[in-house]
Amino acid sequence: SQQGEEDPQALSIQEGENATMNCSYKTSINNLQWYRQNSGRGLVHLILIRSNEREKHSGRLRVTLDTSKKSSSLLITASRAADTASYFCATDAPGNQFYFGTGTSLTVIP
Amino acid sequence: EAQVTQNPRYLITVTGKKLTVTCSQNMNHEYMSWYRQDPGLGLRQIYYSMNVEVTDKGDVPEGYKVSRKEKRNFPLILESPSPNQTSLYFCASSRLNPNTDTQYFGPGTRLTVL
Repeated sequence: SQQGEEDPQALSIQEGENATMNCSYKTSINNLQWYRQNSGRGLVHLILIRSNEREKHSGRLRVTLDTSKKSSSLLITASRAADTASYFCATDAPGNQFYFGTGTSLTVIP
Repeated sequence: EAQVTQNPRYLITVTGKKLTVTCSQNMNHEYMSWYRQDPGLGLRQIYYSMNVEVTDKGDVPEGYKVSRKEKRNFPLILESPSPNQTSLYFCASSRLNPNTDTQYFGPGTRLTVL
């Protein structure tokens, strides 16, 4: 399976700190996406980075992609309590399948 | 309001009793998909559909069926549910290819099979 793996599995930080989570995947990709899930709810798309891009920003989010290492990182700057959620990377797969990683659970302490 | 709806939201059933979880989207999306989410395993794709009458297996299709007779609906059918199908299920849709287009998720269906 192509399924990505996020690291760490869980992360707890103080409000205002930066949060970094990593994703590794197994085979070559065209795009990599990050999604967010509030407890038990549906996922919400955050950002897409293409394989020919190395870095992308969206508000307080910064995503990097290293295709040589088959890895990506998501940085959330100046975290807020409302950022408490699980974060998943997702990659394309053969055909039109779609793979999600195992997720990082982020807790931001007020 | 653009949305993906699922019903029911919660379901407790017994082994072997056929059930259907409905999914509907109002965005005229071509692509629809079902995922199951289990602790420590993330989301795994069950089935997906590129368009009406076109369905394909995802990573974990065993024990499930789907149909796509209309563009807006993509029901998930469990002909003979078993306890290992106890999970949180999500339906999602995207305009075309989910690899380039945002997927929109339903609120989830929590299924317990006794």
